[in-house]
This record gives sequence, structure tokens and C-alpha cells, in this order.
Amino acid sequence: DAGITQSPRHKVTETGTPVTLRCHQTENHRYMYWYRQDPGHGLRLIHYSYGVKDTDKGEVSDGYSVSRSKTEDFLLTLESATSSQTSVYFCATKAGISSYEQYFGPGTRLTVT
Amino acid sequence: ELKVEQNPLFLSMQEGKNYTIYCNYSTTSDRLYWYRQDPGKSLESLFVLLSNGAVKQEGRLMASLDTKARLSTLHITAAVHDLSATYFCAVVIPTGNQFYFGTGTSLTVIP
Repeated sequence: DAGITQSPRHKVTETGTPVTLRCHQTENHRYMYWYRQDPGHGLRLIHYSYGVKDTDKGEVSDGYSVSRSKTEDFLLTLESATSSQTSVYFCATKAGISSYEQYFGPGTRLTVT
Repeated sequence: ELKVEQNPLFLSMQEGKNYTIYCNYSTTSDRLYWYRQDPGKSLESLFVLLSNGAVKQEGRLMASLDTKARLSTLHITAAVHDLSATYFCAVVIPTGNQFYFGTGTSLTVIP
């Protein structure tokens, strides 16, 4: 447990609306990650950050953007939500480049109707 | 792109039996992780394997890594109901910080 919280924990939204999910950590970890989890796919990386204002795309980044203006916060934005983005979203952190452990937040269940 | 395959995807086993979950990956990796996930919960780290031949054990679970074969195994000894969960492996490419996950193995231990 790396003091990771996610908000909201559950959200229902309509197709076409923007949605922002927040990940907050208290351990001053350098790396932060956003994943989505879908049946049959395991976890897939959306975006990750290796420092304030430093982000990179993962394998399923289309339709998502991220921002990290402070070490402790990593925001994931769905610019125009679609039903295919209905999923469980997990945030994770890793302390630094030479650290191995990745810690996961509790998850956000997003439903796009 | 690194591909990670787990098998079986679903596993139903009786209490007291032994079984192995396999994790194959497609590209050289210097780190392999095993996680556990209970229904509706987050992921919990079980093992981090850092070198060829690494073996780690915790209770009834033992994980091993063969980097030459690009294969990791998670062996379950004398299964108990509390081990029912979904197990994921994940790898990281050398010098990278992106994690690639397998599809998971859903384990059900039957009394």
C-alpha cells in the first residue's frame, strides 16, 4: 500500500461527455501509471508518467489524455467518453527507476451509457 | 510490442491438489511479477523475480523464472479455498518502465 487513492470510485456517464479520473499518492513516488482492466485482456497500460509534466503513451492511449502538474496527482481524462471505455481503471505507482515494486490503487469503475 | 500469455485462463482444482500456472512472454525481460486479485479488489503483489533461475516461495505458492525460455511458473501446493483468486503475471522490458500484463488465470479451489 503506497497511500494511493482514486476518485471517484464509481462513475456513470453518458457517451460524448468528458470525464476526469484522479489518482493521488502520498509516498512521493516518481512513476505513476494508468491502466484499464477488461475481461479477457488483463491490465493494459494507457499512459504513464516519469515525473512532473513528463508523460508517455502506453499500448491503449487513443481517446485518453493525462496530466501531472504535481508529484502526488496524476489525472486521466477521457476527452469524449465512448461505450468502449467502460472499464475498471487502476492507478499504480513506482518509487523510482531502480525500484521494482509497483503499487496499485483501489480502482475506479466507469460506465459509459 | 511485448506479448504475455498465461495458461490456463481458468483453473478449477480440488483442495489438497497441486497445480502450475504458466506465463510465457515474447521479448527479453529482466523482471517478472506475479500479482493476485480478489473479486472486486485491487492487485496485490506476490513475487518479483529478477534473474534467470530465480525462485521465490510464500506459503503454498512458489514462483520461478527461466529467462532463456521466457517462461515463469507459479506452482500451487496443496491448494486451499483461500487461494481462490485471479493471478496475473507481468513483465518489464530491459531499461523500460512499462509493465505488460498477462490475461490472468482465474483459480477456483473446490472443497
